[in-house]
This record gives sequence, structure tokens and C-alpha cells, in this order.
Amino acid sequence: EADIYQTPRYLVIGTGKKITLECSQTMGHDKMYWYQQDPGMELHLIHYSYGVNSTEKGDLSSESTVSRIRTEHFPLTLESARPSHTSQYLCASIGQGAGEQYFGPGTRLTVT
Amino acid sequence: AQSVAQPEDQVNVAEGNPLTVKCTYSVSGNPYLFWYVQYPNRGLQFLLKYITGDNLVKGSYGFEAEFNKSQTSFHLKKPSALVSDSALYFCAVEPSGSARQLTFGSGTQLTVLP
Repeated sequence: EADIYQTPRYLVIGTGKKITLECSQTMGHDKMYWYQQDPGMELHLIHYSYGVNSTEKGDLSSESTVSRIRTEHFPLTLESARPSHTSQYLCASIGQGAGEQYFGPGTRLTVT
Repeated sequence: AQSVAQPEDQVNVAEGNPLTVKCTYSVSGNPYLFWYVQYPNRGLQFLLKYITGDNLVKGSYGFEAEFNKSQTSFHLKKPSALVSDSALYFCAVEPSGSARQLTFGSGTQLTVLP
């Protein structure tokens, strides 16, 4: 198991609420990623970071925002949740060299 | 732009039989190629990768994959399937010079029947 953690694992929340999905890794990886996995199971990159104070949007447009104040921490925030945000959110990280991305267990979000 | 195709949404195979999960890609340069597996309500687990060198790559749990540059394919294989191999499998490509971003295929659900 990789040392990358996501909380909460499951979240059911009403429309309009603000939520933050947490992602932390203890491997000292500089690059971190957020993916959205839709019900059809396809994975789409929504945000990434190459280091502290570096964040970029991914291929899939998302209403979420991210921050990277510490190397180990990469939270994702939805200011006003909508049913269309219902999905699984996966966090990943990678270190230096030609390695693979390590994935967290995911947060399954349901917005009612 | 790069793309990854997994032409089969579903693959069924009997336990003990060989399995193949197909993946083709379209990308310029010399990409890195990966296979990941996802069990229900879990994140993705790394299986194997091709970076350079030998075209046959061996990975976790007895899986292997063959890189074929001329056919731009990276099919996942296992000589003898187990019921516990039933899961969702993703192929991914990391184009050279992409600053470590992955493009995933749409996934293939593998079901191994007892």
C-alpha cells in the first residue's frame, strides 16, 4: 500500500454546501494530482501540482479549486456542491524519476 | 493529442485460462506505458510499466504486458486467470516530455468465472 491518504472516504452532502476533500502523502513527492472518476469509470485529470504554491487545471473543466501550501498536502474544495459533482475523486502523487503514480483510496462524493 | 483505447468494456474468462486485456495508444515520441487495477471502492493499484528496454514487462500478481511499437499496443496478459483477478483494469500513457501527466483508457472490466 502506498502512503497516500484521502478523507473522507464517503461523503453525502446537500446542494450548496462547501466541502473540502483531503489528500496527504508521506513520501515527499513533489507532484500531486486530482482525478475525477465518473459513473462510467473513466478517469479525468482535474487538477495537478508540481510543488508548493504550484497548481494547474487539468484536462477536464472542474468547478473545484485546489491549494498546495505544504508538500504533503493537496486539498480539493468545492465552494457550492451540486448533484453534477457526484463522483469518485482520486488523489495521486509521484516522485522523481521514471516511476509510477501512487493513488489514494478515493473519496466517493454524493450530492443530494 | 495523446489517446489511449481499450476496445473492450468487458472481458470474461474462465478460471485457469489465459487472459488478455487490450490497449492501444496514439502519442508522439517514446511514451511511458502503465497498467493499473482497481478493485471496488478502492483507488488504483500499479501493476506494471514499460519505460524502455525489453518489450516484455513483468509485473505484480503474475501479470505481464508486451510493448509493440509498430502496432502501438500494450496488451496485458496473464497465463492462468484467478477469480481474484476480477477487477477494473486501466491502461495509461505518459507522453515523453509531458511533465508526468497520465492519459487513461476507458477501462476494461475483467470477470474471471469459476
